[in-house]
Amino acid sequence: GENVEQHPSTLSVQEGDSAVIKCTYSDSASNYFPWYKQELGKRPQLIIDIRSNVGEKKDQRIAVTLNKTAKHFSLHITETQPEDSAVYFCAASDTDKLIFGTGTRLQVFP
Amino acid sequence: GAGVSQSPRYKVAKRGQDVALRCDPISGHVSLFWYQQALGQGPEFLTYFQNEAQLDKSGLPSDRFFAERPEGSVSTLKIQRTQQEDSAVYLCASSLDRGFLYEQYFGPGTRLTVT
Repeated sequence: GENVEQHPSTLSVQEGDSAVIKCTYSDSASNYFPWYKQELGKRPQLIIDIRSNVGEKKDQRIAVTLNKTAKHFSLHITETQPEDSAVYFCAASDTDKLIFGTGTRLQVFP
Repeated sequence: GAGVSQSPRYKVAKRGQDVALRCDPISGHVSLFWYQQALGQGPEFLTYFQNEAQLDKSGLPSDRFFAERPEGSVSTLKIQRTQQEDSAVYLCASSLDRGFLYEQYFGPGTRLTVT
């Protein structure tokens, strides 16, 4: 079955800097890659997703890139703000269920 | 509009007790998922319903775990003879239809603590 690895597990950046989180997946049949943000004690919320027919997608300060050949995808957050502090999860899917990575705790210091 | 709701939000059970966790999906959502999230980990898939049909239960860790969605709306996850390793947050998610064209919306979760 699918296995998703995520790095780093923690990431600390200064406000205004960029943050990059990387994930790799094992199943070449996976074709949908969402990213979720989870604040402490809250539900996961979708922030951006990408499907296998595109290599990059951008939404304001957030972008995701996908390399299907290498089976990895990345989340890029530019001009980070303290409210970006949270745990970020990547996931992969080839049908309906999502297989999640282990999460990255992002801390943005003012 | 109303999102996915779950009840109870917190549950403490003594080892060996049975528990039932409820999920109310967004009205009209056909697909419903259950995930288990251990402390410091990502959500792990448990089971999936399309309307009332349970299409995938490959993630249920043992036969002590049982899920149902008899009328295609509300779902219940039941855990029999709870064990300490069952302690986790149980997340429910729903989507408008099956397939990855449709976003999965998560509920707030039920935090289960087995003592």
